[in-house]
Amino acid sequence: KAGVTQTPRYLIKTRGQQVTLSCSPISGHRSVSWYQQTPGQGLQFLFEYFSETQRNKGNFPGRFSGRQFSNSRSEMNVSTLELGDSALYLCASSLYRGQDTEAFFGQGTRLTVV
Amino acid sequence: KNQVEQSPQSLIILEGKNCTLQCNYTVSPFSNLRWYKQDTGRGPVSLTIMTFSENTKSNGRYTATLDADTKQSSLHITASQLSDSASYICVVSDSNYQLIWGAGTKLIIKP
Repeated sequence: KAGVTQTPRYLIKTRGQQVTLSCSPISGHRSVSWYQQTPGQGLQFLFEYFSETQRNKGNFPGRFSGRQFSNSRSEMNVSTLELGDSALYLCASSLYRGQDTEAFFGQGTRLTVV
Repeated sequence: KNQVEQSPQSLIILEGKNCTLQCNYTVSPFSNLRWYKQDTGRGPVSLTIMTFSENTKSNGRYTATLDADTKQSSLHITASQLSDSASYICVVSDSNYQLIWGAGTKLIIKP
Protein backbone atom coordinates (compact mmCIF):
# COMPACT_ATOMS: atom_id res chain seq x y z
CA LYS A 1 0.00 0.00 0.00
CA ALA A 2 1.53 3.29 -1.06
CA GLY A 3 2.16 5.88 1.64
CA VAL A 4 1.44 9.58 1.61
CA THR A 5 3.06 11.22 -1.40
CA GLN A 6 4.03 14.86 -1.45
CA THR A 7 5.33 16.69 -4.50
CA PRO A 8 7.63 18.31 -5.16
CA ARG A 9 10.20 17.27 -2.51
CA TYR A 10 12.21 20.47 -2.87
CA LEU A 11 11.32 23.92 -4.15
CA ILE A 12 13.12 27.24 -4.40
CA LYS A 13 11.05 30.36 -4.97
CA THR A 14 11.62 34.10 -4.94
CA ARG A 15 9.90 36.54 -2.58
CA GLY A 16 6.57 37.66 -3.96
CA GLN A 17 5.97 34.53 -6.01
CA GLN A 18 3.28 31.99 -5.29
CA VAL A 19 3.62 28.23 -4.88
CA THR A 20 1.37 25.16 -4.95
CA LEU A 21 2.21 21.99 -3.06
CA SER A 22 0.50 18.66 -3.65
CA CYS A 23 -0.39 15.77 -1.34
CA SER A 24 -1.78 12.38 -2.30
CA PRO A 25 -3.09 10.56 0.79
CA ILE A 26 -3.03 6.84 1.42
CA SER A 27 -5.69 5.13 -0.68
CA GLY A 28 -9.01 5.17 1.18
CA HIS A 29 -7.99 7.95 3.55
CA ARG A 30 -10.36 10.90 3.49
CA SER A 31 -8.79 13.34 5.92
CA VAL A 32 -5.76 15.43 4.97
CA SER A 33 -3.98 17.89 7.25
CA TRP A 34 -1.16 20.30 6.45
CA TYR A 35 1.61 21.48 8.78
CA GLN A 36 4.50 23.90 8.61
CA GLN A 37 7.74 22.98 10.38
CA THR A 38 10.60 25.45 10.85
CA PRO A 39 13.92 24.72 12.61
CA GLY A 40 13.52 24.69 16.37
CA GLN A 41 9.74 24.95 16.17
CA GLY A 42 7.13 22.31 16.60
CA LEU A 43 4.79 21.50 13.79
CA GLN A 44 2.37 24.36 13.23
CA PHE A 45 -1.09 23.30 12.06
CA LEU A 46 -2.23 24.96 8.83
CA PHE A 47 -5.55 23.33 7.97
CA GLU A 48 -7.48 20.08 7.76
CA TYR A 49 -9.69 18.85 4.93
CA PHE A 50 -12.25 16.09 5.03
CA SER A 51 -14.61 15.21 2.20
CA GLU A 52 -13.49 18.24 0.19
CA THR A 53 -14.38 20.66 3.01
CA GLN A 54 -12.02 22.59 5.25
CA ARG A 55 -12.83 21.43 8.79
CA ASN A 56 -10.17 23.21 10.83
CA LYS A 57 -7.81 26.09 10.23
CA GLY A 58 -4.69 27.14 12.09
CA ASN A 59 -3.50 30.64 12.84
CA PHE A 60 -1.92 31.52 9.51
CA PRO A 61 -2.53 34.53 7.26
CA GLY A 62 -4.89 34.37 4.31
CA ARG A 63 -1.92 33.95 1.96
CA PHE A 64 -2.07 30.28 2.92
CA SER A 65 -4.95 28.40 1.34
CA GLY A 66 -5.78 24.87 0.40
CA ARG A 67 -8.33 22.60 -1.14
CA GLN A 68 -9.20 18.94 -1.41
CA PHE A 69 -10.45 17.12 -4.48
CA SER A 70 -13.04 14.39 -4.77
CA ASN A 71 -10.29 11.73 -4.83
CA SER A 72 -9.02 13.13 -1.47
CA ARG A 73 -5.86 14.55 -3.01
CA SER A 74 -5.07 17.95 -1.56
CA GLU A 75 -3.16 21.04 -2.57
CA MET A 76 -1.99 23.97 -0.57
CA ASN A 77 -1.13 27.34 -2.03
CA VAL A 78 0.98 30.14 -0.63
CA SER A 79 0.76 33.49 -2.38
CA THR A 80 3.09 36.49 -2.12
CA LEU A 81 5.87 34.41 -0.59
CA GLU A 82 7.95 35.86 2.24
CA LEU A 83 11.38 34.78 3.47
CA GLY A 84 9.75 33.50 6.65
CA ASP A 85 7.70 31.00 4.65
CA SER A 86 10.85 28.91 4.16
CA ALA A 87 10.02 25.65 5.93
CA LEU A 88 9.27 21.96 5.62
CA TYR A 89 5.61 21.55 4.72
CA LEU A 90 4.16 18.24 5.85
CA CYS A 91 0.95 16.58 4.84
CA ALA A 92 -0.74 13.89 6.94
CA SER A 93 -3.58 11.61 5.96
CA SER A 94 -6.03 9.77 8.19
CA LEU A 95 -8.71 7.25 7.47
CA TYR A 96 -11.39 9.42 9.07
CA ARG A 97 -11.76 12.33 11.51
CA GLY A 98 -12.08 10.30 14.70
CA GLN A 99 -10.10 11.60 17.64
CA ASP A 100 -8.10 8.39 17.98
CA THR A 101 -7.37 7.92 14.32
CA GLU A 102 -3.72 7.63 13.40
CA ALA A 103 -2.13 10.24 11.12
CA PHE A 104 0.40 9.10 8.50
CA PHE A 105 2.84 11.68 7.22
CA GLY A 106 4.47 12.22 3.86
CA GLN A 107 8.15 13.05 3.41
CA GLY A 108 7.35 16.74 3.16
CA THR A 109 8.13 19.51 0.70
CA ARG A 110 11.16 21.64 1.58
CA LEU A 111 10.37 25.19 0.45
CA THR A 112 13.14 27.77 0.33
CA VAL A 113 12.23 31.40 -0.37
CA VAL A 114 15.10 33.61 -1.51
CA LYS B 1 -3.75 28.40 26.23
CA ASN B 2 -3.25 24.80 25.01
CA GLN B 3 0.44 23.97 25.18
CA VAL B 4 2.72 20.96 25.06
CA GLU B 5 6.20 21.28 26.55
CA GLN B 6 8.95 18.72 26.19
CA SER B 7 12.20 18.21 28.02
CA PRO B 8 15.05 17.97 27.57
CA GLN B 9 15.44 19.92 24.34
CA SER B 10 18.26 17.61 23.33
CA LEU B 11 19.95 14.53 24.73
CA ILE B 12 23.10 12.58 23.90
CA ILE B 13 23.51 9.01 25.20
CA LEU B 14 25.72 6.04 24.43
CA GLU B 15 24.44 3.14 22.38
CA GLY B 16 22.88 0.47 24.57
CA LYS B 17 21.85 2.86 27.33
CA ASN B 18 18.26 3.67 28.33
CA CYS B 19 16.71 7.13 28.35
CA THR B 20 13.46 8.86 29.28
CA LEU B 21 11.92 11.85 27.55
CA GLN B 22 9.33 14.05 29.26
CA CYS B 23 6.17 15.78 28.08
CA ASN B 24 3.91 18.15 30.06
CA TYR B 25 0.70 19.48 28.61
CA THR B 26 -2.07 21.93 29.43
CA VAL B 27 -4.49 20.88 26.67
CA SER B 28 -8.13 20.85 27.62
CA PRO B 29 -10.35 19.08 26.90
CA PHE B 30 -7.95 16.17 26.45
CA SER B 31 -8.64 13.41 23.95
CA ASN B 32 -5.40 11.48 23.50
CA LEU B 33 -1.62 11.77 23.62
CA ARG B 34 0.73 10.57 20.90
CA TRP B 35 4.45 10.14 20.57
CA TYR B 36 6.04 10.48 17.15
CA LYS B 37 9.56 9.80 15.93
CA GLN B 38 10.91 12.09 13.23
CA ASP B 39 14.12 11.32 11.40
CA THR B 40 15.94 14.31 9.93
CA GLY B 41 14.29 15.51 6.71
CA ARG B 42 11.42 13.04 6.92
CA GLY B 43 7.84 13.09 8.12
CA PRO B 44 6.98 11.99 11.68
CA VAL B 45 6.08 8.35 12.32
CA SER B 46 3.64 7.38 15.06
CA LEU B 47 5.03 5.36 17.99
CA THR B 48 2.06 5.24 20.39
CA ILE B 49 -1.39 6.73 20.93
CA MET B 50 -2.83 6.77 24.47
CA THR B 51 -6.29 7.76 25.61
CA PHE B 52 -7.30 9.13 28.98
CA SER B 53 -7.75 5.67 30.56
CA GLU B 54 -4.40 4.22 29.46
CA ASN B 55 -1.37 4.51 31.75
CA THR B 56 1.22 2.62 29.75
CA LYS B 57 1.69 1.57 26.17
CA SER B 58 4.63 -0.20 24.56
CA ASN B 59 5.90 -0.46 21.02
CA GLY B 60 8.99 -2.66 20.98
CA ARG B 61 11.75 -0.90 22.90
CA TYR B 62 9.57 2.22 23.31
CA THR B 63 7.30 2.52 26.36
CA ALA B 64 5.07 5.53 26.89
CA THR B 65 3.39 6.41 30.17
CA LEU B 66 0.57 8.83 30.83
CA ASP B 67 -0.55 10.46 34.07
CA ALA B 68 -3.74 12.32 33.17
CA ASP B 69 -4.04 13.78 36.69
CA THR B 70 -0.70 15.59 36.55
CA LYS B 71 -0.89 16.00 32.76
CA GLN B 72 2.47 14.39 32.21
CA SER B 73 3.76 11.75 29.86
CA SER B 74 7.11 10.09 29.36
CA LEU B 75 8.69 8.03 26.60
CA HIS B 76 11.24 5.47 27.77
CA ILE B 77 13.66 3.96 25.26
CA THR B 78 15.35 0.75 26.29
CA ALA B 79 18.72 -0.50 25.01
CA SER B 80 19.14 2.39 22.57
CA GLN B 81 20.38 1.79 19.04
CA LEU B 82 22.04 4.15 16.57
CA SER B 83 18.81 4.17 14.55
CA ASP B 84 17.02 5.73 17.53
CA SER B 85 18.78 9.02 16.75
CA ALA B 86 15.89 11.31 15.82
CA SER B 87 13.52 13.93 17.20
CA TYR B 88 10.76 12.61 19.44
CA ILE B 89 7.63 14.68 19.47
CA CYS B 90 4.78 14.62 21.97
CA VAL B 91 1.38 15.55 20.53
CA VAL B 92 -1.86 16.06 22.40
CA SER B 93 -5.25 15.90 20.71
CA ASP B 94 -8.21 17.89 21.98
CA SER B 95 -11.83 17.02 21.42
CA ASN B 96 -12.01 19.32 18.39
CA TYR B 97 -9.67 17.04 16.41
CA GLN B 98 -6.85 19.56 16.82
CA LEU B 99 -3.35 18.20 17.39
CA ILE B 100 -1.13 20.38 19.58
CA TRP B 101 2.51 19.60 18.93
CA GLY B 102 5.47 19.91 21.27
CA ALA B 103 8.77 21.23 19.94
CA GLY B 104 10.39 17.80 20.29
CA THR B 105 13.44 16.32 21.98
CA LYS B 106 16.42 15.76 19.72
CA LEU B 107 18.05 12.45 20.69
CA ILE B 108 21.54 11.54 19.55
CA ILE B 109 22.86 8.02 20.12
CA LYS B 110 26.66 7.74 20.08
CA PRO B 111 28.48 4.47 19.42
